[in-house]
Amino acid sequence: ETGVTQTPRHLVMGMTNKKSLKCEQHLGHNAMYWYKQSAKKPLELMFVYNFKEQTENNSVPSRFSPECPNSSHLFLHLHTLQPEDSALYLCASIGQFNSYNEQFFGPGTRLTVL
Amino acid sequence: DAKTTQPPSMDCAEGRAANLPCNHSTISGNEYVYWYRQIHSQGPQYIIHGLKNNETNEMASLIITEDRKSSTLILPHATLRDTAVYYCIVRDKDFNKFYFGSGTKLNVKP
Repeated sequence: ETGVTQTPRHLVMGMTNKKSLKCEQHLGHNAMYWYKQSAKKPLELMFVYNFKEQTENNSVPSRFSPECPNSSHLFLHLHTLQPEDSALYLCASIGQFNSYNEQFFGPGTRLTVL
Repeated sequence: DAKTTQPPSMDCAEGRAANLPCNHSTISGNEYVYWYRQIHSQGPQYIIHGLKNNETNEMASLIITEDRKSSTLILPHATLRDTAVYYCIVRDKDFNKFYFGSGTKLNVKP
């Protein structure tokens, strides 16, 4: 248990559905991250938020829409996804930007797009 | 963007020390070396990090060469639960990004 929770843990959706992934941290951290991990591939950084402000969008398609209403919550809104978007989506947080703090990861959401 | 090179897989006997190497020959003076591990389909777990001195915690030891171009993560007494993919990462704090390469799949065998 790292203090970073993600819901749902598993999600199956059709290509025309709209769904949202939720991440929550109770660690008092200021920065939060979304990563994508496709089968047998390294983690790919998607988005970075610092104090609710997006600081990084790693060329992610617009069908993925992040939202960070406060420093403790991070959402990833999904719409019109493709089967190749099936992956493990991981959320992480870090105590403070521009520090050498380590990242804490959630357990991930396993997404399957049919 | 990963600046590290790791062997794709290693085997280790249960109870023995596991020594996982990492090459980071282009590391610069203010970049730290971090190690994480990922047990199948779970989120990565932080293990240890260091700059130039050797580091030890309750999970592992990190040995960094004097020229800082390589490092070794040591799990002193590997157990079956240490079977995971181990990632070596170099990071400059100003970039606030962690780039995970392919890692080393450690197989601990009875």
